Amino acid sequence: EAGVAQSPRYKIIEKRQSVAFWCNPISGHATLYWYQQILGQGPKLLIQFQNNGVVDDSQLPKDRFSAERLKGVDSTLKIQPAKLEDSAVYLCASSPNRGPEKLFFGSGTQLSVL
Amino acid sequence: GENVEQHPSTLSVQEGDSAVIKCTYSDSASNYFPWYKQELGKGPQLIIDIRSNVGEKKDQRIAVTLNKTAKHFSLHITETQPEDSAVYFCAAISGTYKYIFGTGTRLKVLA
Repeated sequence: EAGVAQSPRYKIIEKRQSVAFWCNPISGHATLYWYQQILGQGPKLLIQFQNNGVVDDSQLPKDRFSAERLKGVDSTLKIQPAKLEDSAVYLCASSPNRGPEKLFFGSGTQLSVL
Repeated sequence: GENVEQHPSTLSVQEGDSAVIKCTYSDSASNYFPWYKQELGKGPQLIIDIRSNVGEKKDQRIAVTLNKTAKHFSLHITETQPEDSAVYFCAAISGTYKYIFGTGTRLKVLA
């Protein structure tokens, strides 16, 4: 079974530039999550999709971050403009359904904002 | 708000010894408590989980215990091996199905 795919693996940008991350979840998984993991901290939820609808984006900085999940499959997360404090690993995860069950994580995109 | 505290932040043990990591959650409606292991450069992977209707669960060298009254749950690793070295995260799923992660424990198993 293929896992959660993310790209790119690494990205270095200057502040005020824009950046986009891509995620392909496990086939058939209805729920998709984007997490931000700052060095030395636990993952923090940015946004959660159920199929192609948003169920939780309460911690997404909507003035600069946006995300979409077209056709309930792939998802993109965008930051525009980036700030220094956005330097982190951005993890995508998926699960078969919303609820108390295992999350499958991708390897993440490491973003450095200079 | 919903919160999960995790201790210790770092833990060093000799190979063959046991390791214990503890977490406390705040949302009394939480009903699912997974533990994830994260190796360098990889995403977290589930190693064991427990639901609120169970007090203890074991899987070979790994066990998790849950005390719902005290809102505590713990990860126990016995006979530690160098490949157990990683960062471990506890999590709790809230009544609104939100995963809340702890801050992580860096476990180092010394050969």
